[in-house]
Amino acid sequence: SQQGEEDPQALSIQEGENATMNCSYKTSINNLQWYRQNSGRGLVHLILIRSNEREKHSGRLRVTLDTSKKSSSLLITASRAADTASYFCATANTGKLIFGQGTTLQVKP
Amino acid sequence: GAVVSQHPSRVICKSGTSVKIECRSLDFQATTMFWYRQFPKQSLMLMATSNEGSKATYEQGVEKDKFLINHASLTLSTLTVTSAHPEDSSFYICSARGFTSGLSGTGELFFGEGSRLTVL
Repeated sequence: SQQGEEDPQALSIQEGENATMNCSYKTSINNLQWYRQNSGRGLVHLILIRSNEREKHSGRLRVTLDTSKKSSSLLITASRAADTASYFCATANTGKLIFGQGTTLQVKP
Repeated sequence: GAVVSQHPSRVICKSGTSVKIECRSLDFQATTMFWYRQFPKQSLMLMATSNEGSKATYEQGVEKDKFLINHASLTLSTLTVTSAHPEDSSFYICSARGFTSGLSGTGELFFGEGSRLTVL
């Protein structure tokens, strides 16, 4: 079952701009994770934020988590053409990862 | 990071045949593996959770007799699509979690590259 809703579904920006993706979920979580998927490939883990954390950074990535609103955002700063991919949030609860619908990001050179 | 190998990456079969997909953790022991299914331009749907040495736990709506999962060792899980039909055509992805440092609990999963099944 899916519990994450992401918006926007698709995002197209110019290289150098920032990209923000949002994720909402329905149940309580242990942590929330963001993954990246290049077309036709497996997923690559980007960042994990625990339920007691509010913000986390990793390189050009910034993730926020608001458990009161059951939402998270992923910000990619200074985007590059190589960032073009689909991005999924996933919520962890009872040992399983449930994925959101994903945001398809296109970064134009 | 940890490596998960999935094989085959692509398979085409005739309707009615069975197809086996392997998922191996190459550099860690995977006590738990997950199988997902992904339709084009859609998200990953969790099909089942397999724990080494025990029966897989299937998600609601997933036919256990259709999708046979075996997790016989700490490094190998297999998904067999039995009597495949065109509607089973999809992208199947496995992921693994182990008990090495940083991989326990509900931490990050490591994903295989996926297997694209086409049933004619």
